[in-house]
Amino acid sequence: GAVVSQHPSRVICKSGTSVKIECRSLDFQATTMFWYRQFPKKSLMLMATSNEGSKATYEQGVEKDKFLINHASLTLSTLTVTSAHPEDSSFYICSAPNDRGSYEQYFGPGTRLTVT
Amino acid sequence: AQSVTQLDSQVPVFEEAPVELRCNYSSSVSVYLFWYVQYPNQGLQLLLKYLSGSTLVKGINGFEAEFNKSQTSFHLRKPSVHISDTAEYFCAVSDAGNMLTFGGGTRLMVKP
Repeated sequence: GAVVSQHPSRVICKSGTSVKIECRSLDFQATTMFWYRQFPKKSLMLMATSNEGSKATYEQGVEKDKFLINHASLTLSTLTVTSAHPEDSSFYICSAPNDRGSYEQYFGPGTRLTVT
Repeated sequence: AQSVTQLDSQVPVFEEAPVELRCNYSSSVSVYLFWYVQYPNQGLQLLLKYLSGSTLVKGINGFEAEFNKSQTSFHLRKPSVHISDTAEYFCAVSDAGNMLTFGGGTRLMVKP
């Protein structure tokens, strides 16, 4: 089946620094990818839709200047958390839709961000 | 707009007992329905999906779900659970635009 990878799996950074998370579709092309944030023991909240070749679409309440998304190619989307603060600590998950029209999405393994 | 409600945040059950995890949805358009499982510190894995056709859908690991349009439900069932089924389960709906809306999740806790 299709595979989506994320890198890094875990990252610890200091307040005020920026962190980049990569999401890659390994054996299929993804013109669209989705970024989610998951708080402990909570559901996934959609942050933004990443579109190859155009600007990302952000959900209401998500700061686009803080969570920078770049869809550089048909297999890579990056999420950069700028000037991170402890409240940005969370589990970030990306997904990419099946490219064969089955409406299924493939999820990455997630990235655990801890801001100290 | 779409929404998904998972009525139980936690479901404790003994090993080899049957289990049902409830999911209700609302949508103004035709939807596609999914159940995903998440193990600790991992991403989501698809258990099963309903796109069209038979309302009883069979998935991996012995799980099945039934789409009930009149009750707008898509409950997940397994006749006999194992310790390894302990995880978080998410029901989700999607329209043709691929965007998923998730329920709040149900933690299945299988006890020996």
